[in-house]
Amino acid sequence: AQRVTQPEKLLSVFKGAPVELKCNYSYSGSPELFWYVQYSRQRLQLLLRHISRESIKGFTADLNKGETSFHLKKPFAQEEDSAMYYCAPSDNDMRFGAGTRLTVKP
Amino acid sequence: ETGVTQTPRHLVMGMTNKKSLKCEQHLGHNAMYWYKQSAKKPLELMFVYNFKEQTENNSVPSRFSPECPNSSHLFLHLHTLQPEDSALYLCASSQEFYASNNYGYTFGSGTRLTVV
Repeated sequence: AQRVTQPEKLLSVFKGAPVELKCNYSYSGSPELFWYVQYSRQRLQLLLRHISRESIKGFTADLNKGETSFHLKKPFAQEEDSAMYYCAPSDNDMRFGAGTRLTVKP
Repeated sequence: ETGVTQTPRHLVMGMTNKKSLKCEQHLGHNAMYWYKQSAKKPLELMFVYNFKEQTENNSVPSRFSPECPNSSHLFLHLHTLQPEDSALYLCASSQEFYASNNYGYTFGSGTRLTVV
């Protein structure tokens, strides 16, 4: 069965510290990979896509096909990064992970 | 308004009521989706429409009834709901089916539904 796992429900770091939000997936094929973010009282929105190899708001995501992981990273977290983050593989079926709530403390 | 618009923002309904949620997009997207977001569960896909044809019903109870009259509008008709149906209902759209062109989904702000 296709599955996406975000092992950490909550993650708390201090401002300026590195942050990594984990995402593991189990798919029979090679899904496209996305990260979505939901800031407080805002709508869920696309953060970044693997295919574009982009860095958005300082975040990057590394695909490791061997480990089937797509972890989201930022070298220096900011308070405004506090939000819910969802990993979402898509392969004729976009599934969302349970989400990780990131809190960046001052 | 650009993007995906959902109305109403909040809805309180009794278990015997009938109500409808509305979603509208003018992005030129071909696929639209209903998701349920509960406090203790991951985002759950409910229904998928591609070119206004329903392509997936993810084992949703019949008290939820979707309608897609055209590619820009999506409704979720509700009747005889249960308190456990209280949740945030999100509408999303994508240019291609399941965002197969890799541009991802655009989400609405959601309708916060409370069943009393």
